[in-house]
Amino acid sequence: GENVEQHPSTLSVQEGDSAVIKCTYSDSASNYFPWYKQELGKRPQLIIDIRSNVGEKKDQRIAVTLNKTAKHFSLHITETQPEDSAVYFCAANLYGNKLVFGAGTILRVKS
Amino acid sequence: ETGVTQTPRHLVMGMTNKKSLKCEQHLGHNAMYWYKQSAKKPLELMFVYNFKEQTENNSVPSRFSPECPNSSHLFLHLHTLQPEDSALYLCASSQETGRNEQFFGPGTRLTVL
Repeated sequence: GENVEQHPSTLSVQEGDSAVIKCTYSDSASNYFPWYKQELGKRPQLIIDIRSNVGEKKDQRIAVTLNKTAKHFSLHITETQPEDSAVYFCAANLYGNKLVFGAGTILRVKS
Repeated sequence: ETGVTQTPRHLVMGMTNKKSLKCEQHLGHNAMYWYKQSAKKPLELMFVYNFKEQTENNSVPSRFSPECPNSSHLFLHLHTLQPEDSALYLCASSQETGRNEQFFGPGTRLTVL
């Protein structure tokens, strides 16, 4: 079915450590994979996205990797800071360009 | 105002009421979306409109009725809702469906008594 699986559902890290969130998708034709961050009481906002023609993309402390063969992609946050605490959603465009979101990961950065 | 706006920001309604949620985007986008966000399903797609035409109805009950009069405005008409419909309703827009960043509005917090 139309599915984007996201793990873990919650993640606690110490400030300065790295955080990794993983997603898998079901449609081998998917070619757009965005990540959204939603802070408490605020709207989701795009933080990084990747298209299928590249395997990795980096923007300062965040990076996304894509493995098309295995149909999974991951968000990596290095040197985490308290302001990174939020809910993170992955998404993939599945059958017919429908953007489907994962269930979200609550990231807590402890100082 | 820029970006995606939604009104009202908060709404409390009884099960027999009829109300409407409004979304407006000032980004020149062609696609607009309604999402329901609750503890059970964090980001649940409800409807998609592309160039004013509905292209997706994700098995939403008929007590939710969308309307898209033009590419900049999207409404969600509500009638005879149930308490389990209480949630945050988010509107979003994008240049195209499925290939570009979606910009979200601030949401309407709906409580059904």
